[in-house]
Amino acid sequence: QKEVEQDPGPLSVPEGAIVSLNCTYSNSAFQYFMWYRQYSRKGPELLMYTYSSGNKEDGRFTAQVDKSSKYISLFIRDSQPSDSATYLCAIAGAGKSTFGDGTTLTVKP
Amino acid sequence: KAGVTQTPRYLIKTRGQQVTLSCSPISGHRSVSWYQQTPGQGLQFLFEYFSETQRNKGNFPGRFSGRQFSNSRSEMNVSTLELGDSALYLCASSVGFQETQYFGPGTRLLVL
Repeated sequence: QKEVEQDPGPLSVPEGAIVSLNCTYSNSAFQYFMWYRQYSRKGPELLMYTYSSGNKEDGRFTAQVDKSSKYISLFIRDSQPSDSATYLCAIAGAGKSTFGDGTTLTVKP
Repeated sequence: KAGVTQTPRYLIKTRGQQVTLSCSPISGHRSVSWYQQTPGQGLQFLFEYFSETQRNKGNFPGRFSGRQFSNSRSEMNVSTLELGDSALYLCASSVGFQETQYFGPGTRLLVL
């Protein structure tokens, strides 16, 4: 079993939709939770990170962590075509970092 | 602050050759990690260096090696290249060991 499981997608939504991207993890020792965005043929770009349960908001993006359920989510409000990319969840701690396989999102105009 | 830089950006090699990739972390970052990314396998962890010491190693053969210099710059080397080594190799830096990582643009390696 993988330490991080990410909803595989792909996901296709119309412009303006609310997008929900989700991951589950198995090791409760993980302390840091990150979301990365990766455009085609580019390196991953850090979008958001958090260290605790609850919500963290940054503009149209909200990261949510539920440590009791070992579940993390990224919500994108008012999605734009420029949000079309692959989104990777990542968790760190216990001496390592682990990434989900990514969810490819397409936002159609 | 300048981001993580990687050189070269693109590389074409033939089977059996060796290759060295370079990574310069963000100024002040002491930890550097290397990842291999392929369409089929996703992001696979290679190794992590902190203060010139390898702290973690992924499940890759010994043909993959790395090192970190006193200025935190890092290199990774792949010897006896195989076709399956064709991938995007990503370097990520963080302030400390096992903290939030910032990625470079990657080196795209093609092995023919």
